[in-house]
Amino acid sequence: GAVVSQHPSRVICKSGTSVKIECRSLDFQATTMFWYRQFPKQSLMLMATSNEGSKATYEQGVEKDKFLINHASLTLSTLTVTSAHPEDSSFYICSAKIPGTPTYEQYFGPGTRLTVT
Amino acid sequence: AQSVTQLDSQVPVFEEAPVELRCNYSSSVSVYLFWYVQYPNQGLQLLLKYLSGSTLVKGINGFEAEFNKSQTSFHLRKPSVHISDTAEYFCAVTRGGSNYKLTFGKGTLLTVNP
Repeated sequence: GAVVSQHPSRVICKSGTSVKIECRSLDFQATTMFWYRQFPKQSLMLMATSNEGSKATYEQGVEKDKFLINHASLTLSTLTVTSAHPEDSSFYICSAKIPGTPTYEQYFGPGTRLTVT
Repeated sequence: AQSVTQLDSQVPVFEEAPVELRCNYSSSVSVYLFWYVQYPNQGLQLLLKYLSGSTLVKGINGFEAEFNKSQTSFHLRKPSVHISDTAEYFCAVTRGGSNYKLTFGKGTLLTVNP
């Protein structure tokens, strides 16, 4: 089956620094990837849709200057949290879909736990 | 807009007992419904989905769910659970069609005890 990986699985950074999270589709090409955020005991919230070769589409209320998304290749999307603050601490999950398939057919990565101290 | 409510945040059961994880949705249009499972340190994995047709949907690992339009529910069931079923389960909904985003519930932690 289609596999999506994320790196790192856990990261701790200091307030004010930036951190980059990678999302890779390992055995398929993904023109579209999605980034979600999950707070404890809360549902996954879609942050943005990442399209290869074009600008990401952000959901309402998500700061695009804070959460920079780059989808530079068909197998890699990155999420950079800039000037991180403790309130950015969360679980970030990416997913990817195979071109030509419905949006609801997404393959999810294992997530990245970000802790900002 | 759609929304999903998972009524139980945690469900503890004993091994070989039946289990039902509840999910209710809200939508003014037709929907597609999904159940995902997340094992520790792994990504969400699709258990089953309802797009159309028979309201009783069978998925992997012996799970099934029934779409009830009048009650706007999509409860997940398994007649006999195993220790290995311990995981977080997410219900999700999307508007019927190919290009609409998924809306997730908060998840239900199923813990199967020996």
